[in-house]
Amino acid sequence: AQSVTQPDIHITVSEGASLELRCNYSYGATPYLFWYVQSPGQGLQLLLKYFSGDTLVQGIKGFEAEFKRSQSSFNLRKPSVHWSDAAEYFCAVGAAYGNKLVFGAGTILRVKS
Amino acid sequence: DVKVTQSSRYLVKRTGEKVFLECVQDMDHENMFWYRQDPGLGLRLIYFSYDVKMKEKGDIPEGYSVSREKKERFSLILESASTNQTSMYLCASSWRAGANVLTFGAGSRLTVL
Repeated sequence: AQSVTQPDIHITVSEGASLELRCNYSYGATPYLFWYVQSPGQGLQLLLKYFSGDTLVQGIKGFEAEFKRSQSSFNLRKPSVHWSDAAEYFCAVGAAYGNKLVFGAGTILRVKS
Repeated sequence: DVKVTQSSRYLVKRTGEKVFLECVQDMDHENMFWYRQDPGLGLRLIYFSYDVKMKEKGDIPEGYSVSREKKERFSLILESASTNQTSMYLCASSWRAGANVLTFGAGSRLTVL
């Protein structure tokens, strides 16, 4: 069965510090992976996606993620966090074209000044 | 940019009431989705539609129905609301060939008393 695990429910980092949010997936076929962000009171916005090719993908707002097939992971990183990055982050896995994504439970990021 | 509009941001209903949640998208997307978002559970798919008058069940369809009479509008219906349906409901849409890239509305927070 498809599943996504985000081990960290909450993470707090200082402004300017680096960030890594973890995501592990279980998927029976070639996984297509996504990170979405939800700011308070907003819907979800796509940060980045991985379909194939280079395993390090760049997204919006200075985020990047690395696909590691051997570890079934797709961790999200940012070298220097800004206060505006405080939000909830969701990892998702699915087919490239289709109608169903499986989402993780989310990680809430708090940024302290 | 695609815009997905959920007409009601906050609703308070009583147990047993019939509830309609409306969603409209303005970019001619073929696919539309209804998700439920609960803390610690992430997003769970209730129903989706890939064409007018077409619908398919997601992971948690019990207690819900949907209607898609026009391409741009996808309604979620709670026939008889119950307290365990208190949640945040997110509508999303995607282009059929859009590789599972979802555009989300801002959400409708439903409280059932």
